[in-house]
Parts: sequence; structure tokens; C-alpha cells
Amino acid sequence: KQEVTQIPAALSVPEGENLVLNCSFTDSAIYNLQWFRQDPGKGLTSLLLIQSSQREQTSGRLNASLDKSSGRSTLYIAASQPGDSATYLCAVISSGGGADGLTFGKGTHLIIQP
Amino acid sequence: EPEVTQTPSHQVTQMGQEVILRCVPISNHLYFYWYRQILGQKVEFLVSFYNNEISEKSEIFDDQFSVERPDGSNFTLKIRSTKLEDSAMYFCASSSGLSEAFFGQGTRLTVV
Repeated sequence: KQEVTQIPAALSVPEGENLVLNCSFTDSAIYNLQWFRQDPGKGLTSLLLIQSSQREQTSGRLNASLDKSSGRSTLYIAASQPGDSATYLCAVISSGGGADGLTFGKGTHLIIQP
Repeated sequence: EPEVTQTPSHQVTQMGQEVILRCVPISNHLYFYWYRQILGQKVEFLVSFYNNEISEKSEIFDDQFSVERPDGSNFTLKIRSTKLEDSAMYFCASSSGLSEAFFGQGTRLTVV
């Protein structure tokens, strides 16, 4: 059974810092990995999708990498801003197909101090 | 920008009552999903729906739950005889297949 773990569980940094959020998964047979942002009491906003054949994806100040063989992904946030404060979730789809649901980690709760 | 919409945003129901949560997926998507998130816990997969039938379901999705696509736009989750432990945020999502999944804002269900 796929398990997704995110470290750290919480992180508080001053504005302007670059930071890295970590995600690991137990079964490397994934089809893709997706990073989401969740604001308190709100839905999930998709940030980046990495297909299993890709090594990284970039969107603005965000860069996500994937090392499928070692079961790891990182989300790099450059020049953090207070508006980046949220919970960041990592999720994977196993290689079974489009009908498979995402398996989520518990998230990293990020606070950017002004 | 296309989005997944869910109604209601918040529903309070008495234990034992039936509830129906509604979703309008993105129009050209083919796969539809329901997830739930109990307060303080992980987002958990419930069920996926493709070509007008259930494709996959988790062990959480027991006989108490059912899904339906009653028309060309809506996708519903029915919970029969709700229990206190059904209290959670329920998210609908859609995708075009093995691609990016888009989530709605969720329905917060409170069973009292």
C-alpha cells in the first residue's frame, strides 16, 4: 500500500528565504506526483504536476523535483512571501491508471513571517 | 479559468439522515473523484467515476455511500444514514485522465 510522508510537518521562516519541502513515497511505481496548496478551511489548489518520466517542473517561484527511484520529491520555494503561508500537500498516483485516486501526505504547514 | 464547483459549502445534518453533496466538474474532463478530509488528518480517496460507472473505490467507500452522474454536468455523492464520524470536508475533483487533478472548494459536512 502506498504511503506518502512529508517532512517537516511545520516550518516557520522569515520572508525572503528560499526553502525546501520534502515528500517521500514508499512505492516507486507511480504515474505522476502533484503538489497542492491548501489554505485553512479551503480547497486544494494544484501547484505543479510531475509525470514519472520527468525530473522537475517549474512555475514562477516554485520548482518541484522528482527522483522516482528513491521515492522522493522536493518543492523549492524561492524568495518566500507572507502570501505563501499555507499547507503544502504532496500526492501521488500509482501506475494503475487514471481511475486511481491520489494518495496524499499529511502536508507541511508553512508560515512565512513578514 | 475552468473550475470545479461544489454545493453546499457547509451542511449540518442529524445523525441517521441522508445527505447529497453536489459537484460540477470541469466540462471536458472524463474522470471524477470524491475525497474526504477529517479535521487534522490526510486527504483520503473515496471513489473514482469514469464512463458513467465507478472505476475504483477505497475501503472507506462502503454501502453507505453512492455516487451518481444524474445529468451531463452534475456529479453527486450520497451518504445514507450519516454517522458522527462522517463529519469531514468532502472534496470533488476531476481530471482528463492521467493528468492534473483539479479540486473544488469542498463541502464541510457536520453530523450532529
